[in-house]
Amino acid sequence: AQSVTQPDIHITVSEGASLELRCNYSYGATPYLFWYVQSPGQGLQLLLKYFSGDTLVQGIKGFEAEFKRSQSSFNLRKPSVHWSDAAEYFCAVERAGGGADGLTFGKGTHLIIQP
Amino acid sequence: DAGVIQSPRHEVTEMGQEVTLRCKPISGHDYLFWYRQTMMRGLELLIYFNNNVPIDDSGMPEDRFSAKMPNASFSTLKIQPSEPRDSAVYFCASQAQYNEQFFGPGTRLTVL
Repeated sequence: AQSVTQPDIHITVSEGASLELRCNYSYGATPYLFWYVQSPGQGLQLLLKYFSGDTLVQGIKGFEAEFKRSQSSFNLRKPSVHWSDAAEYFCAVERAGGGADGLTFGKGTHLIIQP
Repeated sequence: DAGVIQSPRHEVTEMGQEVTLRCKPISGHDYLFWYRQTMMRGLELLIYFNNNVPIDDSGMPEDRFSAKMPNASFSTLKIQPSEPRDSAVYFCASQAQYNEQFFGPGTRLTVL
């Protein structure tokens, strides 16, 4: 069965510092890959997605992610974090092709921003 | 577009009562998903529909849970009877084929 691992439950970063959130997946073939962000009491907002093509994808709010097939990873990065980036971040996968299939989520990484 | 609409936003009920959660997907989206979020289990897919037809309900935890989609603009998730362990945030999401899912704001359910 497919699975998504986000090894860091909590990460604390100083405002203005760079950020990398890790995501590894286990899947029979290369899936579609997503990063979502959830602020307290809110729904999930899509940051970026990878379907195919360029393995470095750009998203909203200055985020980017790199797909590495050899490592089954899809890490999220941001060069300089802002206090408003404090939230829960979820990596997710979906079966590629053939229509929608439902997302499998990681357990999430809670991002704390220090002033 | 108003996005995915869910109601109610908060529901507090007593054990044994019937609970109905509602969802209006984005117009033109042909897939609809129900997820549940808890601290222990994270985000789990419960069931999804394609063109109003249930495709995969393997995530529905028990027979107490049922979901319907009578038309393209409305879906319900019903729990009868409810139990305290059903307390969670329930999300609805909709999707157009080959695109990403858009999530509603969720319904926070508390069963006392």
